[in-house]
Amino acid sequence: AQKITQTQPGMFVQEKEAVTLDCTYDTSDPSYGLFWYKQPSSGEMIFLIYQGSYDQQNATEGRYSLNFQKARKSANLVISASQLGDSAMYFCAMRELNTGANSKLTFGKGITLSVRP
Amino acid sequence: EAGVTQFPSHSVIEKGQTVTLRCDPISGHDNLYWYRRVMGKEIKFLLHFVKESKQDESGMPNNRFLAERTGGTYSTLKVQPAELEDSGVYFCASSHPSGTMKETQYFGPGTRLLVL
Repeated sequence: AQKITQTQPGMFVQEKEAVTLDCTYDTSDPSYGLFWYKQPSSGEMIFLIYQGSYDQQNATEGRYSLNFQKARKSANLVISASQLGDSAMYFCAMRELNTGANSKLTFGKGITLSVRP
Repeated sequence: EAGVTQFPSHSVIEKGQTVTLRCDPISGHDNLYWYRRVMGKEIKFLLHFVKESKQDESGMPNNRFLAERTGGTYSTLKVQPAELEDSGVYFCASSHPSGTMKETQYFGPGTRLLVL
């Protein structure tokens, strides 16, 4: 079974509008962390935001926020006030404690976001 | 501060040839990871170094892949002999050990390998 599921094949958003990128995950480990990365056309993976399983509040970093619904096992990324530079592929990833705090990340397939002017 | 760098950015080789990929992590990062993304699929973990030691190599596909990190600085990933299914983007990432779940891995731009 997939641990990270990103089912939206491609998303389009108008510049200055908000967009939500979906991510669901599967783990039996009570302690885990969720990460979102952005991969623009240049290829480099850029870390955006982190949410821990025990965090009481949804994570926010500038225009990025996480809609974390633990019971539903979803960690959707919300980008507010979209900019043309937000056009990229976005990856959701998870680290589970049972594999070690500094261990590997498990990734989803990614979602392509295109921002229209 | 320089980010994670990878060399080469692209490599096109024929089946049966050898290719060596290099990764230079962020200075001071003891943790170094290799990942691979085959077209249309997830980014998959290959292995993890802590300094020069292999901490986890559970993702290495087979013994045609050899990773080294002599001296605990840069790392190389050699594929010998290369097969068609080895084509993909190979990412390297590094992190500074924090002992927390929040420890962030910083990725390089990847090496695009095409085996013909």
